[in-house]
Amino acid sequence: GAVVSQHPSWVICKSGTSVKIECRSLDFQATTMFWYRQFPKQSLMLMATSNEGSKATYEQGVEKDKFLINHASLTLSTLTVTSAHPEDSSFYICSAFSLAGADYNEQFFGPGTRLTVL
Amino acid sequence: GENVEQHPSTLSVQEGDSAVIKCTYSDSASNYFPWYKQELGKRPQLIIDIRSNVGEKKDQRIAVTLNKTAKHFSLHITETQPEDSAVYFCAANFNKFYFGSGTKLNVKP
Repeated sequence: GAVVSQHPSWVICKSGTSVKIECRSLDFQATTMFWYRQFPKQSLMLMATSNEGSKATYEQGVEKDKFLINHASLTLSTLTVTSAHPEDSSFYICSAFSLAGADYNEQFFGPGTRLTVL
Repeated sequence: GENVEQHPSTLSVQEGDSAVIKCTYSDSASNYFPWYKQELGKRPQLIIDIRSNVGEKKDQRIAVTLNKTAKHFSLHITETQPEDSAVYFCAANFNKFYFGSGTKLNVKP
């Protein structure tokens, strides 16, 4: 199956700093990538949809100025958590979705990034 | 947007018994319904999926049924084993994926 990587796998930062998380599709071109946030013992909450070459579409309640998403190429999307605070501590997971040649809608998940803000 | 509800939130069964998890969705445009298994701290893993033009799909001990009219779909696991213990999520998709709240399945040896 298709492989999606995420980097870093975990990060600890001080309150007020910014953190960048990378999501890469390693063996296919991802026209669309999704970013999710998952708090402990909760479900995956869709934050935004990232399409290559265009602005991301954010879900209601997600601050676009705080969670900056860039999808500059068909294999890379980045999520930057700006001015991170302890309440931003969470498990961030990306997924990639390709329409090219696909006859179904399967998304491929990255391994996730554990963010802890002190 | 889509609203996906999942029940039960926790499910405890004896090894060898069957487990059923149910989900409902609100958007009739949703056309793809995957089920994921997630172990603690790891990415969700697709275990089975179904498209809106199919009513049932089976893969060994796992099956999924879909009722488009009622907008609900279910995951069935037969002959459960301790390694089936995990959190299971349903999802509904049209252009975006929305997840259910999850079911923690505990299979007791």
